[in-house]
Amino acid sequence: QQQVKQSPQSLIVQKGGISIINCAYENTAFDYFPWYQQFPGKGPALLIAIRPDVSEKKEGRFTISFNKSAKQFSLHIMDSQPGDSATYFCASNKARNNRKLIWGLGTSLAVNP
Amino acid sequence: DAGITQSPRYKITETGRQVTLMCHQTWSHSYMFWYRQDLGHGLRLIYYSAAADITDKGEVPDGYVVSRSKTENFPLTLESATRSQTSVYFCASSETSAGTEAFFGQGTRLTVV
Repeated sequence: QQQVKQSPQSLIVQKGGISIINCAYENTAFDYFPWYQQFPGKGPALLIAIRPDVSEKKEGRFTISFNKSAKQFSLHIMDSQPGDSATYFCASNKARNNRKLIWGLGTSLAVNP
Repeated sequence: DAGITQSPRYKITETGRQVTLMCHQTWSHSYMFWYRQDLGHGLRLIYYSAAADITDKGEVPDGYVVSRSKTENFPLTLESATRSQTSVYFCASSETSAGTEAFFGQGTRLTVV
């Protein structure tokens, strides 16, 4: 079973700090790397996604950094806010095979005020 | 309202009973998915469907049955509920298989006693 290994399992950050969550994938054929955000009692929602033709993608305070040679990608949350407190999931797959997204186990982020 | 809805939101059932979880989406997305979410296991794919009358097994299909007679509906049936099926179940849909965003429902919290 191909895996996506996500770390850390939990993370506590002070308001205004940088939150960093890392994921490592195994299959070099993967070419779609989304991050999902899940608030308690809600379903996951797409936060940001990247494809391997770029090394970085930024949307507001959220940035994905991608390292193809290391088979790693990470989510950076700049100026973290209490409203960012949620569980974050990375995932990976071949873009043409979205039905088989491989998910990380999630990171529970708490941002202290 | 457009979106993806699951029902019921909460369900308690007894061991051995059959229970059906409903999922309805209004986008006419081709792909629909059922996941279960358990602490320490992240999101695990139970079944998915690429179109009406086309379904396939995911990672943990045992004990579950799905059908998709209409594009917008994708019910999940537990034929004979077991305590190990106590979980939060999420339905999701996506437009295509080409690495597009998956939209999740609010989830159904199922407790088997």
